[in-house]
Amino acid sequence: EAQVTQNPRYLITVTGKKLTVTCSQNMNHEYMSWYRQDPGLGLRQIYYSMNVEVTDKGDVPEGYKVSRKEKRNFPLILESPSPNQTSLYFCASSPLTGVGGNTIYFGEGSWLTVV
Amino acid sequence: GESVGLHLPTLSVQEGDNSIINCAYSNSASDYFIWYKQESGKGPQFIIDIRSNMDKRQGQRVTVLLNKTVKHLSLQIAATQPGDSAVYFCAEIASGNTPLVFGKGTRLSVIA
Repeated sequence: EAQVTQNPRYLITVTGKKLTVTCSQNMNHEYMSWYRQDPGLGLRQIYYSMNVEVTDKGDVPEGYKVSRKEKRNFPLILESPSPNQTSLYFCASSPLTGVGGNTIYFGEGSWLTVV
Repeated sequence: GESVGLHLPTLSVQEGDNSIINCAYSNSASDYFIWYKQESGKGPQFIIDIRSNMDKRQGQRVTVLLNKTVKHLSLQIAATQPGDSAVYFCAEIASGNTPLVFGKGTRLSVIA
């Protein structure tokens, strides 16, 4: 089954404690991306990756890091989380060629609370 | 001091009526548009898409209209059902493999 898997789905953490949200896809997609979703602001892109070892900043990259060492994985790293990073996070993947709306897959989301 | 909250636009529709959800986009270079539905606690789900060389596309119970002159996109849902209650996002991509840009979303509430 084609899927994008995020972990953890729910996390409450404290300010400054490094955390990583993992994202894995089983479709051999080149493109992967992280979004955060906040009330009234829709989905805003944090970082994206066109392929292994290729990453680029999205609209709201501050406070986040990513890596793309393997095609299937695209972890989101919060080195020193702050309360303003409390949000719902989504990972997405798609092929680079022949992209259609129905070929963009989203994970189930990760609820992160920073206290 | 007074705080100003950010509220999602809301559309309330009677069950069985047609719904029209609107979206304005800003990038005239965008040439591919997608509508997503997001139910509570879930990720966005693809509904329908349209390329800039078209002005209308129909799916099952849904129609997307594109007006490039005024950079406006709309999603029409026929015979709205309670299961259509969700937040709806439009998204755009400019030519090439540029990132998907989402609109802020509209919450559709279906009144039974």
